[in-house]
Amino acid sequence: EDQVTQSPEALRLQEGESSSLNCSYTVSGLRGLFWYRQDPGKGPEFLFTLYSAGEEKEKERLKATLTKKESFLHITAPKPEDSATYLCAVEKSNFGNEKLTFGTGTRLTIIP
Amino acid sequence: ETGVTQSPTHLIKTRGQQVTLRCSSQSGHNTVSWYQQALGQGPQFIFQYYREEENGRGNFPPRFSGLQFPNYSSELNVNALELDDSALYLCASSLDRVSYEQYFGPGTRLTVT
Repeated sequence: EDQVTQSPEALRLQEGESSSLNCSYTVSGLRGLFWYRQDPGKGPEFLFTLYSAGEEKEKERLKATLTKKESFLHITAPKPEDSATYLCAVEKSNFGNEKLTFGTGTRLTIIP
Repeated sequence: ETGVTQSPTHLIKTRGQQVTLRCSSQSGHNTVSWYQQALGQGPQFIFQYYREEENGRGNFPPRFSGLQFPNYSSELNVNALELDDSALYLCASSLDRVSYEQYFGPGTRLTVT
């Protein structure tokens, strides 16, 4: 069965203190790995898609990387507005019946 | 470009009742997926609709059903509501069924008492 595990569950950082969030996955036939940001009471906001091991993508203070077993979301010099829950999801190839399987998320708090 | 919209924002129902949630896809998107997100959990896939037909279903009972209309808007219907159905219901649209990027709406918060 497809499995996505995110760690840590919660992370508190001082403003400017860089860190990484982890997403480990078990899925056969990975089609893509997705990162989303979710603010309380709102829908997830798309950040990145990674398709193959070794791929990296960046957006402002965020950088996502992918290996064959896990993905990292690196946050460089975070600001309070980066506080949110970060969700990782995988999509497996299923002949047109693709669906996203999500982890439970990492709740990130940036302290001014 | 209009994003994904959902209605209503919040809803309170009694156990045993039926509910209909609505979703308007992002312009140009023909695929809609529905997810249930319990508090503190990641979204769980309910089902997906592509060009008005169901195109995959997660581990949810038949009392969860859906529709997609010719304009690609969608409905999620839940019959015989149970207390455990209380959750945030999310709709996500994508350009087509094999598109990699799903864009989510703001969700409908359903509370069952």
